[in-house]
Amino acid sequence: GAGVSQSPSNKVTEKGKDVELRCDPISGHTALYWYRQSLGQGLEFLIYFQGNSAPDKSGLPSDRFSAERTGGSVSTLTIQRTQQEDSAVYLCASSWSREQFFGPGTRLTVL
Amino acid sequence: RKEVEQDPGPFNVPEGATVAFNCTYSNSASQSFFWYRQDCRKEPKLLMSVYSSGNEDGRFTAQLNRASQYISLLIRDSKLSDSATYLCVVNSPKWDSSYKLIFGSGTRLLVRP
Repeated sequence: GAGVSQSPSNKVTEKGKDVELRCDPISGHTALYWYRQSLGQGLEFLIYFQGNSAPDKSGLPSDRFSAERTGGSVSTLTIQRTQQEDSAVYLCASSWSREQFFGPGTRLTVL
Repeated sequence: RKEVEQDPGPFNVPEGATVAFNCTYSNSASQSFFWYRQDCRKEPKLLMSVYSSGNEDGRFTAQLNRASQYISLLIRDSKLSDSATYLCVVNSPKWDSSYKLIFGSGTRLLVRP
């Protein structure tokens, strides 16, 4: 079946612009996660959705980051006023049990 | 101290070799344990879950020692295609219902002809 999909695959933006990253989870997976992987860094958790609710936003690095999920399916991660330190690969994962399955990621470059 | 610690490697081994990776985790309340594989510029892919009883999937064997908070992965008869970064992963402790994943920094494996 179809896996987790993310768009765009690559995004280059200028410092100060807003960006939106999209995630389509595996159908039927109620849990959705956003992580990011910076150059030379490990993966770090950003936010967790159960259905349309986000009970854990503890990993969002600043109030410039926000996310929403609609219809228990698609999720959008928004970064406002991007900074160079936001450059990273943003990965989405979905799950219906303990195991999480990742999408291909969005590589964000902030110039 | 990092929550999940791994030797970064790289481990450079010939085809057919047996190689073992180790990992330690700091939170004794972690409930679930995994090995993920990540190829260069790709997403992590679940290799296997790790159980206290140990589990095997073909050439791959994973072990968990809860008392020592230690996880291992053994790869037998290495193939060129096994070259990748292997991520040791635990989930958040039982009081955190998000089950978010906590990643080690990864161990890089290079299998040479």
